[in-house]
Amino acid sequence: EIVLTQSPGILSLSPGERATLSCRASQSFSSSYLAWYQQKPGQAPRLLIYGASNRATGIPDRFSASGSGTDFTLTISRLEPEDFAVYYCQHYGSSLTFGPGTKVDIK
Amino acid sequence: QVQLQESGPGLVKPSQTLSLTCTVSGGSVNSGSFYWSWIRQPAGKGLEWIGHIYTTGTTNYNPSLKSRVTISVDTSKNHFSLKLNSLTAADTAVYYCARLPVAIRRGLYYFYGMDVWGQGTTVTVSS
Repeated sequence: EIVLTQSPGILSLSPGERATLSCRASQSFSSSYLAWYQQKPGQAPRLLIYGASNRATGIPDRFSASGSGTDFTLTISRLEPEDFAVYYCQHYGSSLTFGPGTKVDIK
Repeated sequence: QVQLQESGPGLVKPSQTLSLTCTVSGGSVNSGSFYWSWIRQPAGKGLEWIGHIYTTGTTNYNPSLKSRVTISVDTSKNHFSLKLNSLTAADTAVYYCARLPVAIRRGLYYFYGMDVWGQGTTVTVSS
């Protein structure tokens, strides 16, 4: 089973700043099998990115993602107030796994 | 627009079996190519995939829960269900259902992310 590690655990930034979130896998896999989600308190997760770099429907273009092998990155180019949340990466394989999450909070 | 809604008891006793249902509206549970999934989240913690059932009825479960989990589909009621037995306090969590679109081409699987989620239902395991 692939284990996902996310860093940093907490990212403290100000609105307008750039956020860079990392997701690292214990084994290499196809980028087709990685997704990113955003979760706000009291809400279900929301799909942001699938296939490592494809934005889901309705996701603003300030969200972008890249990566391959074992290293994947989610970037928020300019943080808006509504972007402060927890972000999870997810791998699809014979078993599905989520990373532990990165909390982006207001500095 | 497809929507999902979880339902079930909010409180279950230890050692008992949890039964949850996810009702699909705006679409059919037996059309298209989807994994109908269950995910849970203990308070203040991360997301844990429980398992899913494919449109054809094939299931796949988290290895850590496999011995206690059953996911099934009822096409007549347009819903899918989760049963989790031998409950302990560690099973206390918010339980979500979600839809995962998948394409299978030339034997390869292409996933499109869990694009529709239910609002979640809180389950507490306590005597």
